[in-house]
Amino acid sequence: AQSVTQLGSHVSVSEGALVLLRCNYSSSVPPYLFWYVQYPNQGLQLLLKYTSAATLVKGINGFEAEFKKSETSFHLTKPSAHMSDAAEYFCAVSADTGRRALTFGSGTRLQVQP
Amino acid sequence: NAGVTQTPKFQVLKTGQSMTLQCAQDMNHEYMSWYRQDPGMGLRLIHYSVGAGITDQGEVPNGYNVSRSTTEDFPLRLLSAAPSQTSVYFCASSYSTGAEFFGPGTRLTVL
Repeated sequence: AQSVTQLGSHVSVSEGALVLLRCNYSSSVPPYLFWYVQYPNQGLQLLLKYTSAATLVKGINGFEAEFKKSETSFHLTKPSAHMSDAAEYFCAVSADTGRRALTFGSGTRLQVQP
Repeated sequence: NAGVTQTPKFQVLKTGQSMTLQCAQDMNHEYMSWYRQDPGMGLRLIHYSVGAGITDQGEVPNGYNVSRSTTEDFPLRLLSAAPSQTSVYFCASSYSTGAEFFGPGTRLTVL
């Protein structure tokens, strides 16, 4: 079984501040982990993914995430928030046989204050 | 490349009607999947396919059918629409795992 918990349905930061979006997972097998961004009325865009290589994963738009097995976490960070980062962010885990299915968290809406 | 395309963008159905949501990709991806997105619930997997002729159920398959006759196309059929199927539907594809490319979505309302 696999599940994802995103802590905080809404996060607000000031422009230029650190962005930290939290994701914890549960999985009975080594997981693949993903972060997606969704802008209003659009589909999801893959930001980055972890597939058992380097534990620190760099993605697009300056985001990165670190896989911590001991904490079962995969938090998303960005050193300096930009107004264009305002969107909804989803963490997802794939840990079924063959890595065929994703289980998504409920999402975190990021607000960036000027 | 067009990526993942979905039609229609919007649809209104009456309870009991049937319809097919179309999904196509031009990246030669083996993995394709359908998700529905409801407020506060993230995305939930309906059905997926690991190649032409191979499909399997996801988390919420009831009321939906799929088939995969070609690598490019993965239509989703609603057999008898119900108000509980009001949602935004996303198709996704990937070369090897999970879902890396999403379509723009179909917003479905069932009255």
